[in-house]
Amino acid sequence: GAVVSQHPSWVICKSGTSVKIECRSLDFQATTMFWYRQFPKQSLMLMATSNEGSKATYEQGVEKDKFLINHASLTLSTLTVTSAHPEDSSFYICSANGNDGELFFGEGSRLTVL
Amino acid sequence: AQSVTQPDIHITVSEGASLELRCNYSYGATPYLFWYVQSPGQGLQLLLKYFSGDTLVQGIKGFEAEFKRSQSSFNLRKPSVHWSDAAEYFCAVGRFSGNTPLVFGKGTRLSVIA
Repeated sequence: GAVVSQHPSWVICKSGTSVKIECRSLDFQATTMFWYRQFPKQSLMLMATSNEGSKATYEQGVEKDKFLINHASLTLSTLTVTSAHPEDSSFYICSANGNDGELFFGEGSRLTVL
Repeated sequence: AQSVTQPDIHITVSEGASLELRCNYSYGATPYLFWYVQSPGQGLQLLLKYFSGDTLVQGIKGFEAEFKRSQSSFNLRKPSVHWSDAAEYFCAVGRFSGNTPLVFGKGTRLSVIA
């Protein structure tokens, strides 16, 4: 079946640094990918829709300059958390629709900002 | 507006007992419904999905769910719970489209006692 891979699965960084998370569709092309954020013991909240070759669409309340999304190819979307602070610590999950429309999720990336 | 309600935040059942997790949705179009399970620190695993056809769908790990359009519900059931079923369960609704993300419920945490 279709697979979506995220890297890194976990990352620890110092406050003020930037962190990049990759989301890859391994055996299909994805013109659209979605980035979710999950706070501890809470549900997944959609952050943004990543569109290949164009700007991402951000949900209300999500800072575009804080969470930079790049979808440079049909198999790769990246989320960069810029100038990370402890409140950015969270579980970030991406997803993409496979060729038959079904949505597949990455394994998630846990970010801890010290 | 699309929304998913999981009325039970936390449920505790005895091992071997039956389980039902409730999910109600509000969706403007024909919904596609999903149940995911998430173990602590892990990503999402798809248990089952409903797109069309038979309203009783079978999933992995012995789970099933029934779509009831008149009640806008998609409750998850399992006849006999195992200790390994302890996890967080999310109901989600979406459309079969490459540009539409899923909307998640807040989740139900399942604890299993001996």
